[in-house]
Amino acid sequence: DVKVTQSSRYLVKRTGEKVFLECVQDMDHENMFWYRQDPGLGLRLIYFSYDVKMKEKGDIPEGYSVSREKKERFSLILESASTNQTSMYLCASSSSTANYGYTFGSGTRLTVV
Amino acid sequence: QQQVKQSPQSLIVQKGGISIINCAYENTAFDYFPWYQQFPGKGPALLIAIRPDVSEKKEGRFTISFNKSAKQFSLHIMDSQPGDSATYFCAAFQGAQKLVFGQGTRLTINP
Repeated sequence: DVKVTQSSRYLVKRTGEKVFLECVQDMDHENMFWYRQDPGLGLRLIYFSYDVKMKEKGDIPEGYSVSREKKERFSLILESASTNQTSMYLCASSSSTANYGYTFGSGTRLTVV
Repeated sequence: QQQVKQSPQSLIVQKGGISIINCAYENTAFDYFPWYQQFPGKGPALLIAIRPDVSEKKEGRFTISFNKSAKQFSLHIMDSQPGDSATYFCAAFQGAQKLVFGQGTRLTINP
């Protein structure tokens, strides 16, 4: 069964901490994405990557960075966590040759206190 | 700005009824419109999708209706069941495989 795995389901971090959210996919997908999900706002794109070592800003990149050193792994980094970054974070991957299908992970619910 | 607007934010339907969720968009460059279903504790999963050259697509109890001139599309769930209770997101592809999502609709089917 193909999957996208996010390393943590729940995280609680303190304001100012550096936070790493990890995502691994086993489908050999070229594309990977990080979204955050907030009630009433839907899913908003933070960063995405179409290849190893490349990254593109999404709609809300401020306060975040990403790393993609290997094809299967895409990390989201909160440089200095703030309370307004409390949210559900979803990782997704897709193939450049398949028909627009995204596969999502189960999400990481991050609380910044 | 919200490029895909979804309504209603929440919806309660009786078992056996028809659930209808609506979405509207502005960008005519969008070329693919999927719907995702999300159960609590899970990530969204692709439910059904349509291209703008088709006015309707049906898969089982789920139907997408697409009105290109009005830039609107909707999801209809026929004979709604309690197991359909979930959050539904419409989305649109912006090119280069980047999805833009609507705000989501929390659907509750009462038994």
